Amino acid sequence: DIQMTQSPSSLSASVGDRVTITCRASQGISNYLAWFQQKPGKAPKSLIYAISNLQSGAPPKFSGSGSGTEFTLTISSLQPEDFAIYYCQQYETYPPTFGQGTRLEIK
Amino acid sequence: EVQLLESGGGLVQPGGSLRLSCAASGFTFNNYAMNWVRQAPGKGLEWVSVIGGSGDYTYYADSVKGRFTISRDNSKNALDLQMNSLRAEDTAVYYCAKGAYCRGGSCLFDFWGQGTLVTVSS
Repeated sequence: DIQMTQSPSSLSASVGDRVTITCRASQGISNYLAWFQQKPGKAPKSLIYAISNLQSGAPPKFSGSGSGTEFTLTISSLQPEDFAIYYCQQYETYPPTFGQGTRLEIK
Repeated sequence: EVQLLESGGGLVQPGGSLRLSCAASGFTFNNYAMNWVRQAPGKGLEWVSVIGGSGDYTYYADSVKGRFTISRDNSKNALDLQMNSLRAEDTAVYYCAKGAYCRGGSCLFDFWGQGTLVTVSS
């Protein structure tokens, strides 16, 4: 199975900050990389697919980049509603696998 | 508007069985693969199973293979997960998730249900 490793595991930031979360795959996954946001007690919400494409309804403050095995999610101008857990996921190879999550907390 | 509504969760003893259901609306159900993804309390996301749009293929995570069976009824826009021989480690919130794009049994998920909690305990 492809292992997805996110860093950092947790991150403290302030309202208005810009933050970046990294996701590394154990082997190349082409552009089959997605990002999700999950708030406490809620289902995950799709943010980005194919590395950098914004899912319909996701705000443009979220952006993705990367290639091969290293990818990033950047969130600009943090607002209180952005504090959540973020997951990356590869869908290049069966089985689909997720990163362990990055908890974004208010400083 | 896409809606996915899971049901069927609850408390079950180890070794027992449970059947989860997911009612779908807002999209052409038989055009899309459907998945189950679970999340143990305080843990991350784990993919469980996928079924093709016409039911033409099914795949399972190794952790549930031989114990869980995914199925769908396209006439009712319904997805099911039959879970047998349940173990404590199967305790989780189970989400149904629509596959926006799939290749070789691995999907991009674009919509998720709200989840249903399965607790396996004596």
